[in-house]
Amino acid sequence: EVQLVESGGGLVQPGGSLRLSCAASGFTFNSYWLHWVRQVPGEGLVWVSRVKGDGSGTSYADSVKGRFTISRDNAKNTLHLQMNSLRAEDTAVYYCVRDYSAACDYWGQGTLVTVSS
Amino acid sequence: QSALTQPPSASGSPGQSVTISCIGTSSDVGGYNSVSWYQQHPGKAPKLIIYEVTKRPSGVPDRFSGSKSGNTASLTVSGLQAEDEADYYCFSYAGSETYVFGLGTKVIVL
Repeated sequence: EVQLVESGGGLVQPGGSLRLSCAASGFTFNSYWLHWVRQVPGEGLVWVSRVKGDGSGTSYADSVKGRFTISRDNAKNTLHLQMNSLRAEDTAVYYCVRDYSAACDYWGQGTLVTVSS
Repeated sequence: QSALTQPPSASGSPGQSVTISCIGTSSDVGGYNSVSWYQQHPGKAPKLIIYEVTKRPSGVPDRFSGSKSGNTASLTVSGLQAEDEADYYCFSYAGSETYVFGLGTKVIVL
């Protein structure tokens, strides 16, 4: 059974940093691209970032480019999102998502990030 | 990276059909056969229901179908059931290794 379990969310002050992690199981981790998707409670889904299976290729939404870094540790079946210079508008539930043919076939349960003073 | 345009809401009675549009541009929806659709119930993670414009993952009822014409993708839910009441989002590859979601549509079963 495919499982994606996010962790690392919490309350952080504006300008601060946070590192999200996603522990994956139930599939051959390094064979799949992975995404981070966020959702402000009560609002829509927003694509944040994607990393290829071997970690060689990354991409970002304009809203986070230069502040967020996606990475993966294929030895530990773990995906990360390093978030720096956080802003109030980054407050959201962050989902770890597996890519299948440019679609998101498996989702984690999400972790809430709150940026507030 | 502008969000794809979806109607805020759509409704139908049980047994009827409802169709949701997802309007993009030639740089995203119109340029690639990489449109997918998601169903999200309150408090839950989204669920993939259509990928590659028309394909259904295993376990998704054939009441759900997808199509595309030009820069507009569509999701049709036939034979509406109470459990279909949820938010629905489209998603597309947008070139240059980026992706974009639609604004979301709330489907109401009357």
